[in-house]
Amino acid sequence: AQSVTQLGSHVSVSEGALVLLRCNYSSSVPPYLFWYVQYPNQGLQLLLKYTTGATLVKGINGFEAEFKKSETSFHLTKPSAHMSDAAEYFCAVSDPGGYSTLTFGKGTMLLVSP
Amino acid sequence: EAQVTQNPRYLITVTGKKLTVTCSQNMNHEYMSWYRQDPGLGLRQIYYSMNVEVTDKGDVPEGYKVSRKEKRNFPLILESPSPNQTSLYFCASSIPLDNEQFFGPGTRLTVL
Repeated sequence: AQSVTQLGSHVSVSEGALVLLRCNYSSSVPPYLFWYVQYPNQGLQLLLKYTTGATLVKGINGFEAEFKKSETSFHLTKPSAHMSDAAEYFCAVSDPGGYSTLTFGKGTMLLVSP
Repeated sequence: EAQVTQNPRYLITVTGKKLTVTCSQNMNHEYMSWYRQDPGLGLRQIYYSMNVEVTDKGDVPEGYKVSRKEKRNFPLILESPSPNQTSLYFCASSIPLDNEQFFGPGTRLTVL
């Protein structure tokens, strides 16, 4: 069975500071990995995904994540936080190939202060 | 516009009164899924469907039913709602190639 661990239910940064949201997964096969963002009172929106190929993945709004197989990690980063980045972020994992269920982490709330 | 729609967006009901939350997608996706989101627990899958007339249980199926009679629709049915089903519910549909899921706007359900 797969599992996802997001370290820190809340992360606080100052505007302009580096954003680092941690995600570690457990999977018996090389997985597909996703980061979703949820703004207040909205649904989930895909930020980026890793399926195969280049391990550094760039997403929307300046976010990127790197798949590190040896560390079973897929941490999300952004060089400079903006107030509009304040939201909840979810890491998710699935088996490779189609029609596989997504398993989500418990989420990390990103707080951005001026 | 490609989208997943859910109705209603907000619902307050009483224990035991049957309800249905509708979900529809216009992307011709074969895979559809229902999740509930609770504080501190993230998203947990309730049921999923790989195609018409094919459904299966997720992690928390107790107290829920689904049906998939048409490709675009995947309603969630609570035959006898209880207060512990008070939650935020999301429907999603998926591209089968890479499992990227597209989410609806959510339905906030309160069971009194």
